[in-house]
Amino acid sequence: GAGVSQSPRYKVAKRGQDVALRCDPISGHVSLFWYQQALGQGPEFLTYFQNEAQLDKSGLPSDRFFAERPEGSVSTLKIQRTQQEDSAVYLCASSLGQGRSAFFGQGTRLTVV
Amino acid sequence: TQLLEQSPQFLSIQEGENLTVYCNSSSVFSSLQWYRQEPGEGPVLLVTVVTGGEVKKLKRLTFQFGDARKDSSLHITAAQPGDTGLYLCADLNRDNYGQNFVFGPGTRLSVLP
Repeated sequence: GAGVSQSPRYKVAKRGQDVALRCDPISGHVSLFWYQQALGQGPEFLTYFQNEAQLDKSGLPSDRFFAERPEGSVSTLKIQRTQQEDSAVYLCASSLGQGRSAFFGQGTRLTVV
Repeated sequence: TQLLEQSPQFLSIQEGENLTVYCNSSSVFSSLQWYRQEPGEGPVLLVTVVTGGEVKKLKRLTFQFGDARKDSSLHITAAQPGDTGLYLCADLNRDNYGQNFVFGPGTRLSVLP
C-alpha cells in the first residue's frame, strides 16, 4: 500500500479484556517497529522485527504484551488482560531496512475503561 | 541508555512570528531525525541529519546540528497555523539486536491565526 495502515483507529476495551492491534507496513519494508505513545509524550519503543524475526522486544512493558509478524509483512500487537495504564496510542512504523528512514502509521488509540 | 530532552515543552505564538525549538542528547547522535506529529496522526519525518555542523533547510524550516553531534535546533520563520503540531526529535539507536528509534518528549507548538 501507499503508507503504513493500522487498524482499528480507535479501540475501547473493558479492563481485563484482550485486544489485538493490526499493522500493515509499506510493501517491501523489512523492518517493522511498534511504539507506545502516552498522552503528551513522545513515542516509546516496544518491539522491532526484521522480516518475521522479532529481534528486540526489550520495550514490551510486561508479559501481557505480545507481538508477531509470522510472514514478514502484517504484524499484530496483542495485549492480554488490559489495564488502565495500557491506555495510549500504539504506533507502527516500517522501513526498508537497517538505518533507513521509518514511516509511521496513524496509530491505534486504545482506551481501557 | 540515551536520553533526549526537548525545549520548550509548549510554545504558543502568533502567525508570522519566528521560533526555535531545541533537542539535546545525553550521548552523541547516531542519526538525528526531526518529525512533526499532528493530532490524531502518526509522526511524519521532516529531515535526517548525520554530520556535525550540518544545516538543512526545508522551506521555512531550518535545522541545525551541533558540531559535537549532541544537540540540534529547529527554526521556523514566519510561522503559519499549519505548522501547529508536536515536534519530535529522534535518534537511530543501533544495538546488538538491530535498531530502534529513541524519541524525545517533543515540543508542542500552537500557531494562532
